[in-house]
Amino acid sequence: DQQVKQNSPSLSVQEGRISILNCDYTNSMFDYFLWYKKYPAEGPTFLISISSIKDKNEDGRFTVFLNKSAKHLSLHIVPSQPGDSAVYFCAASEYGGTSYGKLTFGQGTILTVHP
Amino acid sequence: DADVTQTPRNRITKTGKRIMLECSQTKGHDRMYWYRQDPGLGLRLIYYSFDVKDINKGEISDGYSVSRQAQAKFSLSLESAIPNQTALYFCATSGDGPYEQYFGPGTRLTVT
Repeated sequence: DQQVKQNSPSLSVQEGRISILNCDYTNSMFDYFLWYKKYPAEGPTFLISISSIKDKNEDGRFTVFLNKSAKHLSLHIVPSQPGDSAVYFCAASEYGGTSYGKLTFGQGTILTVHP
Repeated sequence: DADVTQTPRNRITKTGKRIMLECSQTKGHDRMYWYRQDPGLGLRLIYYSFDVKDINKGEISDGYSVSRQAQAKFSLSLESAIPNQTALYFCATSGDGPYEQYFGPGTRLTVT
């Protein structure tokens, strides 16, 4: 039972354009969401997060949008750069209970930004 | 120096062998985690520990065991390795709360 899903295995965009990565979740108890970036031969690194009390969080070129009613979040990268080429994972966490602090990850989306 | 280190970085072993993967962190966090990554499946939680005396199974703990030797050290063991345990293994650490986790560089394990 995949509680966090990234339905696009890959995405290819031109340098300077917008990259939009999508993520859907099924567990209504999730209330904190994170995006990680992973380069080959390295561990995932934290990129940006959003709490369920917000619908948008921005950090430089990266913006995460949360639509709680649709159980959907997206990561926008503007403008995209070749160095953004990596695997992007979304992750979700519950606040409280026995799952407090645990992250559930999606399958990942491979982003390729062409010069 | 890296905040989270994993040894070995690469390992090839045979079916039935016992193998241990080690993780150390210098971030001073109480919480540590072991994940495996498989193509198309993302990162799946194997075991996690919220402090030295606390060990919990994740979603795919069968065939694995862990030891939390100290706040900074968390080891993952495969008692009798099998080929479908071939994967990339990551250790992570975090502070209290649903906040970001910091990952090690990973161990690529191949079981032949």
